[in-house]
Parts: sequence; structure tokens; C-alpha cells
Amino acid sequence: GQNIDQPTEMTATEGAIVQINCTYQTSGFNGLFWYQQHAGEAPTFLSYNVLDGLEEKGRFSSFLSRSKGYSYLLLKELQMKDSASYLCAVRDQLKDYKLSFGAGTTVTVRA
Amino acid sequence: EAEVAQSPRYKITEKSQAVAFWCDPISGHATLYWYRQILGQGPELLVQFQDESVVDDSQLPKDRFSAERLKGVDSTLKIQPAELGDSAMYLCASSLVRGENTGELFFGEGSRLTVL
Repeated sequence: GQNIDQPTEMTATEGAIVQINCTYQTSGFNGLFWYQQHAGEAPTFLSYNVLDGLEEKGRFSSFLSRSKGYSYLLLKELQMKDSASYLCAVRDQLKDYKLSFGAGTTVTVRA
Repeated sequence: EAEVAQSPRYKITEKSQAVAFWCDPISGHATLYWYRQILGQGPELLVQFQDESVVDDSQLPKDRFSAERLKGVDSTLKIQPAELGDSAMYLCASSLVRGENTGELFFGEGSRLTVL
């Protein structure tokens, strides 16, 4: 399947900014997704990128560079409730639009 | 707001027993997915349905796992016999249109399986 790499853990202070990087390798790229998953809960959709550039949605922004196989999720003005796992997922149009997930980055926000 | 329904939420079973999970996707969603998520890892796709047809079950351990979506609506995932390594969260998800617009997946609450 896809090789999707993201850091295992990150820690930041309330009110700060954190950037979660994701690199991927796929032959039929058809979009990159970021999901948020709180402990014991299901993933919830955060953002979608299919073209290069930055997508901004409130405190969260996501960037994509298809030529580099790279994306990042930027979380601004961190709040305690942002403590969660953030999953990078890539869709492959050559594999029936299969969505493959990375292992997730656990973000811990400290007061 | 429409949701993906899953049951049971929690299941504890002994190894070698049979277990089944049920999923009802959001109405009108043609694509249904079953993912398995082991603690500390990302979700791994087990099977993907387009209506009632399987389009990807390459990662489904077919000697013990089976999945069906007979009428193209709700779906059942079965494990028989269960093994200790099957302990995980089983997530069902659905999407409106395969491969078009965002095609974002909507996940159910998941079924947490513990095999003793």
C-alpha cells in the first residue's frame, strides 16, 4: 500500500502553533485527507487537499505539495481540546480510490 | 445529522468463538468501508464495498473473516474463529460518491473487540 509517514508524538503549549508533517508515496494520487481522532472515538474529517497549496479552515490549515509528496497540518491557537491523534490519509485512484491512513500523530497540549 | 450506526459498541469474547459486527451507513452512501485499528496505529482497510459488490478485500484475512452487504445498504463483518490478535477497534465508514468531490469518509463510533 501507500507509504505514509508522520511523526509519532508532538507536544505543545496552549495558545501555541503546531505543524504536523506527512510524507507519502503513491502512484495514483487523488487527494490527501487529515482526520482528528480523540482517544476511544472515531476519526472525524478535518481537511482535504487535492491541488497544491494551502487550505485554511478556522484555526486549522492544511498544505499540499504533490511534487514532493508532502503535506502538513497546521494547528493555531492551540486549545486543550486539540489533544488528539491526527491522521494523514491518501486516496489512490489506481486502487479503487482506496483511502490509506498513516499511523497518526498524537498531539498533547499542555497548559 | 445523519450518522453511521455500528453495533455492538463493545464486545468481549474468548478465542475460537464467533463474533459479528453490524454497520448501517448514512442513507444514500454507496461506498462502505470496514477498517481495523489496533491501538496506537492508523486504521487499516479490511474491505471496501461499492453498493453490494466488494471492490477491495486484499487485506481481509479470508480464512477467518467475512463481510457482506447483501442489499447494498447495511453490512456485517464476521470473525470465526476469533484469535487474540484480533483485539482492535473495528470501524465502519461510508462515503457519498466514490472518488469524486472530496469523497470524505464518515466514520461510525466503532466496535471495540477484546479477545481473551
